[in-house]
Formats: sequence, C-alpha cells, structure tokens
Amino acid sequence: TQLLEQSPQFLSIQEGENLTVYCNSSSVFSSLQWYRQEPGEGPVLLVTVVTGGEVKKLKRLTFQFGDARKDSSLHITAAQPGDTGLYLCAGYPGRAGNMLTFGGGTRLMVKP
Amino acid sequence: NAGVTQTPKFQVLKTGQSMTLQCAQDMNHEYMSWYRQDPGMGLRLIHYSVGAGITDQGEVPNGYNVSRSTTEDFPLRLLSAAPSQTSVYFCASRGHSYEQYFGPGTRLTVT
Repeated sequence: TQLLEQSPQFLSIQEGENLTVYCNSSSVFSSLQWYRQEPGEGPVLLVTVVTGGEVKKLKRLTFQFGDARKDSSLHITAAQPGDTGLYLCAGYPGRAGNMLTFGGGTRLMVKP
Repeated sequence: NAGVTQTPKFQVLKTGQSMTLQCAQDMNHEYMSWYRQDPGMGLRLIHYSVGAGITDQGEVPNGYNVSRSTTEDFPLRLLSAAPSQTSVYFCASRGHSYEQYFGPGTRLTVT
C-alpha cells in the first residue's frame, strides 16, 4: 500500500472536457506537490501547496490542498491535447523531512 | 546551466554484473536523491543525500550503494544486478525550496 493513493490511474477524455485527479493519504503532509511527466523525461514540478485549504491556480489547472493536509486534488478545465501526460502527486510526510514520497500517478490522454 | 545530468541514458546488463549510474548537478544544491520508476508505482526513493559526505536510505535501498564525495556528484552503484532492478532510474536535486529538479533518466534492463 502506497502512502499516497492517486485516482484514477488512467483517464481518457475528449478535448474540451473537465477532469479532476485525486491524491489521498491517511497521513499528514507538510506540503504536497504536483508534477507532470512526459515520455522519456523526468517529472517537472507544476505546483507546491503548503497550507491546509490552500487553492492555487495555474492557467486552466486548479490545485487544492485539503484542510487536514492529508489530500489534494488537481482540476483541469477545458482539457487540451497538450495536457496529455503522467500526473504525479508527491509530498513530504510529517512536520518536515527529506524523503519525498510519490503517488502511483494518473496517466491522462486528451483526444482532439 | 545544464541542471541535472545522468549517464548513460540506456543500459543493458546481465544478471550479476555491476555498474554505476552517474548523476551530476551544477546548481550547488545540497539535497540529491535517486528514484526508480516502475509501471503503476510512481517513483520510489532509493537513497538520498543532504550534503557532501552524508547519505541515507530511502524506501527501496537493497541492492544499491551511493556515496557523495562532492556537492555536484551522486553516483548510484548496482553491486550485482538482478532482473528485479530493471527500471527507469531518476536522479534529482533540490536547494532550500521544495522544488526537486529531475534528470532525464536512465533506462536499465537486466537480463
């Protein structure tokens, strides 16, 4: 069992649709991050959320950190084919720490 | 700046062979880490370092050794390769912020 559970694992949608990806844990995290990874490359950081209840927006992407700092969500509005990729949530468990823990990832495909 | 570089990009080993995966960063970051990525498992931490001369185990350290003699370099050694070590390996570094910078990865196959 992974410390961070992501759902869904796979998502295939049409261009223009909205979607939400979830990242859940039974543990508290000092911060949570969302990365996007394209084939053959390393993950690239999209956002870091550090305060319970925090909402951050990055163009059509909205990230939320749960009030209890145990979960997060990524919402994409009007998805485009360029959003296709692997989305990973990751966090530092506990009050601090150096061990970044990743969820299993959500593979998103947006069809034109 | 080159960021985080990894070599080789691809490698095929036979069971029992040893090899070293190289990782270097030119951002003067204190923290460096090695991850492996397997289908459906996200990234799992193998070893990490908080500075030159200091290393520690991550989630899946068995079969791997690391050392950190300089700030820039953090090689990962496979002492006796096994098929279970077939994976994609990523090196990452970070400074004092939360952001990790990842290298392009090494795809390793052990036959």
